[in-house]
Amino acid sequence: KQEVTQIPAALSVPEGENLVLNCSFTDSAIYNLQWFRQDPGKGLTSLLLIQSSQREQTSGRLNASLDKSSGRSTLYIAASQPGDSATYLCAVDNTDKLIFGTGTRLQVFP
Amino acid sequence: DAGVTQSPTHLIKTRGQQVTLRCSPKSGHDTVSWYQQALGQGPQFIFQYYEEEERQRGNFPDRFSGHQFPNYSSELNVNALLLGDSALYLCASSLTAGTSETQYFGPGTRLLVL
Repeated sequence: KQEVTQIPAALSVPEGENLVLNCSFTDSAIYNLQWFRQDPGKGLTSLLLIQSSQREQTSGRLNASLDKSSGRSTLYIAASQPGDSATYLCAVDNTDKLIFGTGTRLQVFP
Repeated sequence: DAGVTQSPTHLIKTRGQQVTLRCSPKSGHDTVSWYQQALGQGPQFIFQYYEEEERQRGNFPDRFSGHQFPNYSSELNVNALLLGDSALYLCASSLTAGTSETQYFGPGTRLLVL
């Protein structure tokens, strides 16, 4: 059974810091891995999708890597801003359904 | 280009009642998945609809049922509501099922069961 874990559960940093959020999964037989952002009480916004054959994806200040053999992904956020404050969820696509971690709650203060 | 829309945004019900939630997929998408997100948790997969049929299902009781219409919109029905059904219900749409394309999520319906 696929299980997804995210570390840390919460993170509070000053503006400008570079951040690394971690995601691990137990079954390496995935189709892809997706990182989402969720603002309080809102839906999910897709940030990056990495296909199983890819090693990383980049969008602006965000970079996500995938090491399928070790069951790990990291989301790197460069030069964090207060507007980055949100919960970040990773999800693995297991036979066309997403299995989510419990998220990392990020607060960036000025 | 409209994204995924859901209605209603909020709902309050009492134990034992029934509820119907609605979802319209992103333009061009034909597959709809439903997820339940309890407070402080990640979303849990309920089921997926494609070509008006339930294609796969997560670990949810039969009280949870759904439907997909010819225009690809979908409904989630929950019968005999329990307090534990209180959650944010998220709908996601994607291109043809089985292709592992990006799933796009709606804003969700927050259900409170009293």
